Amino acid sequence: DVKVTQSSRYLVKRTGEKVFLECVQDMDHENMFWYRQDPGLGLRLIYFSYDVKMKEKGDIPEGYSVSREKKERFSLILESASTNQTSMYLCASSLPGQSLAEAFFGQGTRLTVV
Amino acid sequence: AQSVTQLGSHVSVSEGALVLLRCNYSSSVPPYLFWYVQYPNQGLQLLLKYTSAATLVKGINGFEAEFKKSETSFHLTKPSAHMSDAAEYFCAVRSTGANSKLTFGKGITLSVRP
Repeated sequence: DVKVTQSSRYLVKRTGEKVFLECVQDMDHENMFWYRQDPGLGLRLIYFSYDVKMKEKGDIPEGYSVSREKKERFSLILESASTNQTSMYLCASSLPGQSLAEAFFGQGTRLTVV
Repeated sequence: AQSVTQLGSHVSVSEGALVLLRCNYSSSVPPYLFWYVQYPNQGLQLLLKYTSAATLVKGINGFEAEFKKSETSFHLTKPSAHMSDAAEYFCAVRSTGANSKLTFGKGITLSVRP
């Protein structure tokens, strides 16, 4: 059974903290994604990685960075957490775009910044 | 550039009634289109996908969608709603390039009345 695992379901962090959200997939997928989900705004792409050490900015990269040192792991980093980064964060992985394959999602991490 | 429009944020139907959730896309190249469902406190699960093999696509749980190029639409339907269909539904588009992003609409919440 395919699996995308996010390290935490719930996190509470303080303003100004550096926050790491971890995502691991066991499907040997090249592509990995980080989204944030907010009511009424749907899923917005933060960053996208199409291979190890390769990344592209999504629609809302400001305040975030990512790391992909190994194929199976994609980390989202909040350099200095702010209250407006309180959200649900979803990680996904897929085969490359031309493979016709869908993305598989983790369960999400609900981050609260206080 | 690619985008997805899901009109309306909430649809309410009676149990046994037809479900119709609308999705219109914009893409400069032939797209891949997806419908995902999200149940409360869970990640996203694929319902169905269009990859140009057939314009009418059948998915899980009795859902289907029809790709209409002339209308740039990919509406989701189910002949008879069940209480368990209550969830949030997302339409998504992806282009066919190797490093293509996956772009989501804002989502529609489906409520099913007894």
